[in-house]
Amino acid sequence: QKEVEQNSGPLSVPEGAIASLNCTYSDRGSQSFFWYRQYSGKSPELIMFIYSNGDKEDGRFTAQLNKASQYVSLLIRDSQPSDSATYLCAVKPLTSYDKVIFGPGTSLSVIP
Amino acid sequence: DAGVIQSPRHEVTEMGQEVTLRCKPISGHNSLFWYRQTMMRGLELLIYFNNNVPIDDSGMPEDRFSAKMPNASFSTLKIQPSEPRDSAVYFCASSLETQYFGPGTRLLVL
Repeated sequence: QKEVEQNSGPLSVPEGAIASLNCTYSDRGSQSFFWYRQYSGKSPELIMFIYSNGDKEDGRFTAQLNKASQYVSLLIRDSQPSDSATYLCAVKPLTSYDKVIFGPGTSLSVIP
Repeated sequence: DAGVIQSPRHEVTEMGQEVTLRCKPISGHNSLFWYRQTMMRGLELLIYFNNNVPIDDSGMPEDRFSAKMPNASFSTLKIQPSEPRDSAVYFCASSLETQYFGPGTRLLVL
């Protein structure tokens, strides 16, 4: 089992719809969870982080964490073509000197 | 803050040549990471440092790869000799609690 898994893509949604990106992790002791966005040809960019169970909202983005189910998700409301990118889930193990484990990424395409 | 700085941004070299990639982390960050990204293998962690000390180099593919961090504001990743299969984008990231990535170096080994 891979340490961090993401739903296979590519994921296509129409403009204005909600995009749902999912991530599961195997290390039950993980404490910190991150979502990065990577445009083609660019470097990963941090867009959200979450530490506690529940929801965390930032503009059109909502991160959801369920530690019991070892599941973290990212919802993008009112999706825009500019949201088209690869989204990387990253999980920090309990003791790691800030090392994170990245998932393989999910490619999102928002269709105008 | 200028963010993580990497140089060169692009490098084209011939097989067998030495390649040196450079990174300047964000001031105040105490961890530094080197990643490699390809379409086939995704984002791979090669090595990371904490307070200039290498913590985990298990991702370094082979002895041809080496990395140093002589001080808190500079790190290098060296490939000697380079091979075509080393062609990839190499990212440096630094963190205090959260990792921030540099723009990357696109390496093409002919």
